Amino acid sequence: DVKVTQSSRYLVKRTGEKVFLECVQDMDHENMFWYRQDPGLGLRLIYFSYDVKMKEKGDIPEGYSVSREKKERFSLILESASTNQTSMYLCASSLWEDNSGYTFGSGTRLTVV
Amino acid sequence: QKEVEQNSGPLSVPEGAIASLNCTYSDRGSQSFFWYRQYSGKSPELIMFIYSNGDKEDGRFTAQLNKASQYVSLLIRDSQPSDSATYLCAVTWGGYQKVTFGIGTKLQVIP
Repeated sequence: DVKVTQSSRYLVKRTGEKVFLECVQDMDHENMFWYRQDPGLGLRLIYFSYDVKMKEKGDIPEGYSVSREKKERFSLILESASTNQTSMYLCASSLWEDNSGYTFGSGTRLTVV
Repeated sequence: QKEVEQNSGPLSVPEGAIASLNCTYSDRGSQSFFWYRQYSGKSPELIMFIYSNGDKEDGRFTAQLNKASQYVSLLIRDSQPSDSATYLCAVTWGGYQKVTFGIGTKLQVIP
């Protein structure tokens, strides 16, 4: 089974802190994604990457950056956390040529106080 | 902005009934369509995908696609309380990397 592992299940950070969310997948998937999920708004794409060192902005990239130095790891960075970034963050991965859907990590619930 | 519309529910059905979940999408060029199930407090898990017009069956689940009407649905036969979850419709466009999700329909199966 493909596993997508997110480093933290719950995280509480202070306003202005730099926050790192880590995601690792173990099945050699090319594509990796970061979403946030909020009640009433659904899943919204922040950034995605289809190869090492490659990244593309999603629908809501403002206030976020990403890093993909290794194929299996995709990091989301909140440069200066704000309260409106309190959310559930979901990482997902998929194969480049196999359009059969995503495998999601278990999610990180981030609270910014 | 590509849109995927779902009724947020809740949709309540009695145990053993057929649950019908619906989704419409705005982009006529959309290529692939997915249904994910998300239990409360958990991450989404893929349950079905469909590419071609018509029906696709997998156990108690049937996905239906009508590209002319830009409509995709999920039928759950013999609904069980364990099917109670939020069901997310997802649609690809502009290549495999681009996916838009609906807000999800909450399904409640009443014993």
